[in-house]
Amino acid sequence: GDSVTQMEGPVTLSEEAFLTINCTYTATGYPSLFWYVQYPGEGLQLLLKATKADDKGSNKGFEATYRKETTSFHLEKGSVQVSDSAVYFCAPRAAGRRALTFGSGTRLQVQP
Amino acid sequence: DAGVIQSPRHEVTEMGQEVTLRCKPISGHNSLFWYRQTMMRGLELLIYFNNNVPIDDSGMPEDRFSAKMPNASFSTLKIQPSEPRDSAVYFCASSLGRNTIYFGEGSWLTVV
Repeated sequence: GDSVTQMEGPVTLSEEAFLTINCTYTATGYPSLFWYVQYPGEGLQLLLKATKADDKGSNKGFEATYRKETTSFHLEKGSVQVSDSAVYFCAPRAAGRRALTFGSGTRLQVQP
Repeated sequence: DAGVIQSPRHEVTEMGQEVTLRCKPISGHNSLFWYRQTMMRGLELLIYFNNNVPIDDSGMPEDRFSAKMPNASFSTLKIQPSEPRDSAVYFCASSLGRNTIYFGEGSWLTVV
């Protein structure tokens, strides 16, 4: 079945630091790839997505590139802010399937 | 626009009681998902519906759990009888086909 491996958290960074959260996946066929973010006490929100190889999804300064050869979709941001503190989930969606498979989530803590 | 609406937001109940969680998907969406989030197991897909028909219920943990979608604008997840290990956040989500999946803010269930 589909699976996702995300780096263990928490990740603690100072404001304006560079962020990378690693994600690798296994999925049936040619999946679409998503990053969702969960702020404390809230539901999940779509952060960005990519639907084919070499696509780059981007939003709010975050980026991730669909790397088919390494089955990876690492999340990056050049300069994090305190307001980016949240839990980040990588989620592939296998071809022909509507539901997402979520990774364990990576908690990001940004200190002023 | 109204997002996915879940109720109750918080529920505390005694072991053995019946619990009913409710969800109103985004108008026009034809896929509905129930996920459960716990510290130990992360985000798990319980069941999803397409056009009100259950498509995949392999994630429903046991017979104590049941889900219905009597029409396009309403779904319930019922636990009877509830047990302490059912304590979790239950998320409902919806999408139009294979487009973006939108999550509600969750129902926080505590079974004592």
